[in-house]
Amino acid sequence: EAQVTQNPRYLITVTGKKLTVTCSQNMNHEYMSWYRQDPGLGLRQIYYSMNVEVTDKGDVPEGYKVSRKEKRNFPLILESPSPNQTSLYFCASSLSPAGPASQETQYFGPGTRLLVL
Amino acid sequence: AQKITQTQPGMFVQEKEAVTLDCTYDTSDPSYGLFWYKQPSSGEMIFLIYQGSYDQQNATEGRYSLNFQKARKSANLVISASQLGDSAMYFCAMREANTGNQFYFGTGTSLTVIP
Repeated sequence: EAQVTQNPRYLITVTGKKLTVTCSQNMNHEYMSWYRQDPGLGLRQIYYSMNVEVTDKGDVPEGYKVSRKEKRNFPLILESPSPNQTSLYFCASSLSPAGPASQETQYFGPGTRLLVL
Repeated sequence: AQKITQTQPGMFVQEKEAVTLDCTYDTSDPSYGLFWYKQPSSGEMIFLIYQGSYDQQNATEGRYSLNFQKARKSANLVISASQLGDSAMYFCAMREANTGNQFYFGTGTSLTVIP
């Protein structure tokens, strides 16, 4: 089944304790992205990647790191989480960042709810 | 300036009626894509419909259609014959080619379908 998977789905942690949220897709997609969703703010892009070893900052990259060593994986790293990073996080992927709808439509993972105490 | 503006935080519609969800966008890029996503209470993001900036015709997908008015920079979603299962949050989004293909989402509209 074609899908984007994220782990963990739920995470409670404490301030300053490094954590990684994994994201994997099995569709051979080039474009991968991380978003955070907060009430009243919609989704905001954190980082995105056009292909392996190519990453770019989105609107809210502060406090986050990413890497794209393999096409299928795009982990999100919080080196020193803070309470303002408590949020719902989504990973998404698309075949290509631009082109016909069939190529650039993003498919989302199920989301990761993070609580930083 | 906001790239995507959704001015309706909440909307109500009677079952079987049509409803329009508003979306305006701000870009100077001639090449862009516009998307609508649905987020039910279960939380997943479901793609609904896409419109490319060079598409001549309005996009349609089943009961969903996108009213694309390029000069007004609006991309309203029209849902015909509303069903109870349409109750959800709806997000408008845009991808700009010249910013390196960054995506921008609006703040969403919560739609409630009344029986």
